[in-house]
Amino acid sequence: GQSLEQPSEVTAVEGAIVQINCTYQTSGFYGLSWYQQHDGGAPTFLSYNALDGLEETGRFSSFLSRSDSYGYLLLQELQMKDSASYFCAPEGTNAGKSTFGDGTTLTVKP
Amino acid sequence: SAVISQKPSRDICQRGTSLTIQCQVDSQVTMMFWYRQQPGQSLTLIATANQGSEATYESGFVIDKFPISRPNLTFSTLTVSNMSPEDSSIYLCSVEDTGHEQYFGPGTRLTVT
Repeated sequence: GQSLEQPSEVTAVEGAIVQINCTYQTSGFYGLSWYQQHDGGAPTFLSYNALDGLEETGRFSSFLSRSDSYGYLLLQELQMKDSASYFCAPEGTNAGKSTFGDGTTLTVKP
Repeated sequence: SAVISQKPSRDICQRGTSLTIQCQVDSQVTMMFWYRQQPGQSLTLIATANQGSEATYESGFVIDKFPISRPNLTFSTLTVSNMSPEDSSIYLCSVEDTGHEQYFGPGTRLTVT
């Protein structure tokens, strides 16, 4: 079967660093994606990891450990506009589709 | 990146009726996906639509309730049939590019009364 776990809520202050963890169990695995969704908006793609290690894109980094079925999204120098929901989405081997986790609501406070 | 539009953006419908949602992409794509999302919750995949073949439905979703068309590589429709209040949700279409990124349409907010 498939399962996904990520924290439901995280709160941090502006300028801080936040790590959102994701553990997954899926039949077949290509890679792990992260998406950001603001209230009332559509999800937008942040990153994709197919190989173990850290991928850095500006203030956001994403990490994957295939052997541990674990990944995380690291957000640095938090800004108020980073307040949103963040979804991890492992991509399985079945037609390349992704399964979305329940999402982590990040609240950034001044 | 792909730019996706959806119509309508929102609608209020009476139970027992049907609504067809349109999804238009600005480039040719092989796979299109239809999702449902309750406010504040995760995205649930309804089906995958490939051009030239029947859509593949996820567990809990059936073609009679959610018929899908995919007449060409830039367009798809999802129909929500015989609606009930439980179908009230946001419906999103998405496409995947070669880099494993999914691009989402703005969504259709459906309220069934």
